[in-house]
Amino acid sequence: GAGVSQSPSNKVTEKGKDVELRCDPISGHTALYWYRQSLGQGLEFLIYFQGNSAPDKSGLPSDRFSAERTGGSVSTLTIQRTQQEDSAVYLCASSLSGGNGNTIYFGEGSWLTVV
Amino acid sequence: GESVGLHLPTLSVQEGDNSIINCAYSNSASDYFIWYKQESGKGPQFIIDIRSNMDKRQGQRVTVLLNKTVKHLSLQIAATQPGDSAVYFCAENTDSSYKLIFGSGTRLLVRP
Repeated sequence: GAGVSQSPSNKVTEKGKDVELRCDPISGHTALYWYRQSLGQGLEFLIYFQGNSAPDKSGLPSDRFSAERTGGSVSTLTIQRTQQEDSAVYLCASSLSGGNGNTIYFGEGSWLTVV
Repeated sequence: GESVGLHLPTLSVQEGDNSIINCAYSNSASDYFIWYKQESGKGPQFIIDIRSNMDKRQGQRVTVLLNKTVKHLSLQIAATQPGDSAVYFCAENTDSSYKLIFGSGTRLLVRP
């Protein structure tokens, strides 16, 4: 597609339920990133993929968070047993490669509300 | 730790005036800097970037200035328009990193 596509755009879930957020990066981009943005805050790095591998998972807040990427394209971020503090916008981004200086393009985000 | 911060959380300007948004960074090893614009309910949109071997770069109505001596970055928007109203983030990374470090953002309000 023309840009990074994320789904769902909005998700309301009950505390304790699992959620899956999907990201379709820009075609041909080998690097994919997940960031989280809490209300009125800056962006917090979660995880980075180069191809299907995730060399850096250091930003995942807890073991309830996991992500995978298949076929060097689509990625899924899974949050298990959601908590209210997980409420945030989850932003996916991609770049041509993971090296410094490659422009990183963001999707519109998945707005997650845990009630 | 490494951080990127902004001096002014909110900037209000008159339509037609020039805007200057400032950003300080603390990692002297950072060599690539980017400005993003985020409108309400949308994802960050790339505006302009600059490498550390430059001190100025111009785009369409925007200019980014980099002062490595004082570790300061600024975004200048010429003839500010209502459509420029948004939150602006600066971000940095280093040659050995793929990870962008974002500041907390500055909200730009354009008065008609």
